[in-house]
Amino acid sequence: DAGVIQSPRHEVTEMGQEVTLRCKPISGHDYLFWYRQTMMRGLELLIYFNNNVPIDDSGMPEDRFSAKMPNASFSTLKIQPSEPRDSAVYFCASSSRRASGYTFGSGTRLTVV
Amino acid sequence: AQRVTQPEKLLSVFKGAPVELKCNYSYSGSPELFWYVQYSRQRLQLLLRHISRESIKGFTADLNKGETSFHLKKPFAQEEDSAMYYCALSTRDNYGQNFVFGPGTRLSVLP
Repeated sequence: DAGVIQSPRHEVTEMGQEVTLRCKPISGHDYLFWYRQTMMRGLELLIYFNNNVPIDDSGMPEDRFSAKMPNASFSTLKIQPSEPRDSAVYFCASSSRRASGYTFGSGTRLTVV
Repeated sequence: AQRVTQPEKLLSVFKGAPVELKCNYSYSGSPELFWYVQYSRQRLQLLLRHISRESIKGFTADLNKGETSFHLKKPFAQEEDSAMYYCALSTRDNYGQNFVFGPGTRLSVLP
């Protein structure tokens, strides 16, 4: 298995533009998590899914952020419109009931100018 | 409520010196504790978990339920140990496993 795959690795966009981050979890994992990492706030859980259903989105900062998981092998995190304060590294992670621990993707480094 | 604290944001030690990264947790149930490591500009990787009682890259961590701690230790730090270290508490609810991460400690091993 190639692990959790995220794309793109880097994204630079202008303020006001829509940004879509993508994640492919490990096959067989039924939990998927989106985290945001910044120097100031560390690692923050934004939302997580179980069997493609959003379970807890209380970490989503505001309505500009939305996440979907249309099937077991794909999830997106969308920011519309993007703002400079959204600049961060966004990590996706997956897990399962049998797994002990999360497996993280390589992250997407987002810069909004 | 579940909570993980790591009191040191930054810890600097010299190569060959012992290192201890502190982690305390609060949780009313039976905890599962983990340490994750993140090397510069890389993904978070599982370093070790308390149930395994293993030593990875010379690091060990013992769960102390009395002190609600899970400190990470290494007797002789190496320069390649420089990284960000996150302590994490795993809890389980009806939906499965949830993680609460600490704020992280940046370890800098000086030559």
